[in-house]
Amino acid sequence: AQTVTQSQPEMSVQEAETVTLSCTYDTSESDYYLFWYKQPPSRQMILVIRQEAYKQQNATENRFSVNFQKAAKSFSLKISDSQLGDAAMYFCAYRSAGFETSGSRLTFGEGTQLTVNP
Amino acid sequence: EAGVAQSPRYKIIEKRQSVAFWCNPISGHATLYWYQQILGQGPKLLIQFQNNGVVDDSQLPKDRFSAERLKGVDSTLKIQPAKLEDSAVYLCASSLIARGGTDTQYFGPGTRLTVL
Repeated sequence: AQTVTQSQPEMSVQEAETVTLSCTYDTSESDYYLFWYKQPPSRQMILVIRQEAYKQQNATENRFSVNFQKAAKSFSLKISDSQLGDAAMYFCAYRSAGFETSGSRLTFGEGTQLTVNP
Repeated sequence: EAGVAQSPRYKIIEKRQSVAFWCNPISGHATLYWYQQILGQGPKLLIQFQNNGVVDDSQLPKDRFSAERLKGVDSTLKIQPAKLEDSAVYLCASSLIARGGTDTQYFGPGTRLTVL
């Protein structure tokens, strides 16, 4: 079974600065997808960014980018020019590409609570 | 486009009582998911539907939890009887198709259940 680990329960950053959230995962599969979701106090999970394992190029979405290291099974999220609205719980998630064996369930890490200080 | 709707937003019950949650996915989305999120943890999938058929219910405690998706649209998740450890947020999500790698799961606001 796949596992996802986020080793930083809490992180803080100053407004306009850059912060990196860590995520590692364990899998024996070669084809899969990785995601970062944001969960504000409203509880609604919002997709931040996704990465296909077969792609070597790191995904980027505006101020959000990832550092995907497939061999190391590492998938970190970098937030540049942090804004007050970025404050939330961030979850790293894994999804197998093998639909027949595990559907399309997301396996989540424990989350990292990000605080943005003005 | 309307998002995933869930009701109620909050529910408080006594242990051994029953409770039901409702979810209406985004229009046209074939796949519907129920996740359980215990405080301080990431969500865990309980059940996945493709239209009105079950794709994955391997982590659903079937002795007390049940779910249905009649007509392939709305879904109801039921707990009967509830235990203290069922206190959690129940998240519903939907996606357009299940097999597409870039298919995004869109989440509803969740139902916070407290079992006393």
